[in-house]
Amino acid sequence: DVKVTQSSRYLVKRTGEKVFLECVQDMDHENMFWYRQDPGLGLRLIYFSYDVKMKEKGDIPEGYSVSREKKERFSLILESASTNQTSMYLCASSRLAGESYEQYFGPGTRLTVT
Amino acid sequence: TQLLEQSPQFLSIQEGENLTVYCNSSSVFSSLQWYRQEPGEGPVLLVTVVTGGEVKKLKRLTFQFGDARKDSSLHITAAQPGDTGLYLCAGARNDMRFGAGTRLTVKP
Repeated sequence: DVKVTQSSRYLVKRTGEKVFLECVQDMDHENMFWYRQDPGLGLRLIYFSYDVKMKEKGDIPEGYSVSREKKERFSLILESASTNQTSMYLCASSRLAGESYEQYFGPGTRLTVT
Repeated sequence: TQLLEQSPQFLSIQEGENLTVYCNSSSVFSSLQWYRQEPGEGPVLLVTVVTGGEVKKLKRLTFQFGDARKDSSLHITAAQPGDTGLYLCAGARNDMRFGAGTRLTVKP
């Protein structure tokens, strides 16, 4: 059973703070992803990683950075949090299976920036 | 503009009714997935369809991939309150793109 865990379910930070969101998966998946989810906009990809120390920008990378030092861990960093980064953040992992990218999600972190 | 358009955006029905939700695009996908997300949780994969025209059944849920692999539908028979949630479709090309979802509420 695939398990993806995220470090916090709820987080409240102040504008300008540096924020770390951690994600760990236990199924030896090569691929890991960070999304944010906002009402009416669906899931938007922030960054993804296909291998250790490798990262690729998604659709909305501005204001974010990531780190993948170990295969099982993918961290999202908000260098200087702003109120427009208030959102639900979802981490996912996958193994490329044929032509599918079946993704397994963590429970999400609801971040509020005040 | 979403690459994948889901409709309806919201749907509220009574227990026992049937329903269909849609996922449409002008792009061709190598595969398409459906997820269900409950409040406060991450999406959970329901099914992956790969072949144009493919139909998959998961108990009372029937998923169909369009012949041209540009669209998909999800039909639920005799909906139950436990079916309540946000249904997301996601299409795979070189990457994965998600629709905004259909929020389904099934009232007892």
